[in-house]
Amino acid sequence: DAKTTQPNSMESNEEEPVHLPCNHSTISGTDYIHWYRQLPSQGPEYVIHGLTSNVNNRMASLAIAEDRKSSTLILHRATLRDAAVYYCILRDVSAGGTSYGKLTFGQGTILTVHP
Amino acid sequence: EAQVTQNPRYLITVTGKKLTVTCSQNMNHEYMSWYRQDPGLGLRQIYYSMNVEVTDKGDVPEGYKVSRKEKRNFPLILESPSPNQTSLYFCASSPTGVDTDTQYFGPGTRLTVL
Repeated sequence: DAKTTQPNSMESNEEEPVHLPCNHSTISGTDYIHWYRQLPSQGPEYVIHGLTSNVNNRMASLAIAEDRKSSTLILHRATLRDAAVYYCILRDVSAGGTSYGKLTFGQGTILTVHP
Repeated sequence: EAQVTQNPRYLITVTGKKLTVTCSQNMNHEYMSWYRQDPGLGLRQIYYSMNVEVTDKGDVPEGYKVSRKEKRNFPLILESPSPNQTSLYFCASSPTGVDTDTQYFGPGTRLTVL
């Protein structure tokens, strides 16, 4: 499976934008880029996903590099509630994919938000 | 409210005493899965189920059993728990096993085996 690399930790101030990077240089054409986050003492929750084009939803934006070897999760105005571990995950949707729905979590990025 | 529920949320038990952690979802999802989370190892999949009566091993199935008799429920069974199964457990569900599907996670069960 293609792997992702994320910084161990990042810090931000409340109400400022946050850009969380993810490198995935061995990504294949059938890999979707997913982001999940895990708030303290909670289960992971879905944030956003995309394939090639940039994506926006109510929680965040996902910017995908043209060569797809990297992506950036953007939180437009960080709040204290956004403090969490953020995971960048690749999911192969090809017909021969064998992940069977499994999410392969790495270590993620610990985001600290300062008041 | 659409959700995945797990019970109990916290459990302390002793080695060898059989236990079951329940998982239930109210979203009519076909796919359900169990993960364990350990410091330094991240989340790892234990078992998954693509639909009723269809289950299969994940990455770390040893010492665990599951069953899927109904669509909404996917209990995790530890027949003879050991201290190395002390962990934080999460149940998850998604509409299907397709890898574009969003997965929904339960709140977690913290298990301590003495």
